[in-house]
Amino acid sequence: RKEVEQDPGPFNVPEGATVAFNCTYSNSASQSFFWYRQDCRKEPKLLMSVYSSGNEDGRFTAQLNRASQYISLLIRDSKLSDSATYLCAVNYGNTPLVFGKGTRLSVIA
Amino acid sequence: DAGVIQSPRHEVTEMGQEVTLRCKPISGHDYLFWYRQTMMRGLELLIYFNNNVPIDDSGMPEDRFSAKMPNASFSTLKIQPSEPRDSAVYFCASSPDSYEQYFGPGTRLTVT
Repeated sequence: RKEVEQDPGPFNVPEGATVAFNCTYSNSASQSFFWYRQDCRKEPKLLMSVYSSGNEDGRFTAQLNRASQYISLLIRDSKLSDSATYLCAVNYGNTPLVFGKGTRLSVIA
Repeated sequence: DAGVIQSPRHEVTEMGQEVTLRCKPISGHDYLFWYRQTMMRGLELLIYFNNNVPIDDSGMPEDRFSAKMPNASFSTLKIQPSEPRDSAVYFCASSPDSYEQYFGPGTRLTVT
């Protein structure tokens, strides 16, 4: 099984801060990349796909760096409701997604 | 639209007992996945199906685990006999294309 690695955190940030997480993957042939969000005691939910050109959804920006084999998630103007665990997921060819163990974010008032 | 449905939501059982977890995928999704999540190991893929056919069961920990998908709207994951180390949250997910996966609420299993 290919490796997908994330800093487990926790990242403790004040409301309004900007925070970024990285996720490294080991297989340069990876094709599809995603960020999932998982609230405490809930299921993972798809947050956003990560496109080669980078993509933005409101306060969230996802980027792909193929040369260094990592994806990133940037959250601007953090809200208390952003507190969750963020899982990255990577697809290798025709195999299903491989998930990282997640990065825990805690936004503090 | 109804999402992925799992039952039971919680299961507490004694070591040695049989446990059956159930999943109803989203209608029209051709892929179904069973995962196990623990703090130590994160989210692990156990097995997945495409059009009701098991494709890869290499993640199934041992022979005590089995999974079936008799039709497009139902799948089971069975553990027999259960052991305390099987305690975890078991998620079922479905997908139209194996990439964007939609997870059910999970079954929290405790084996004492």
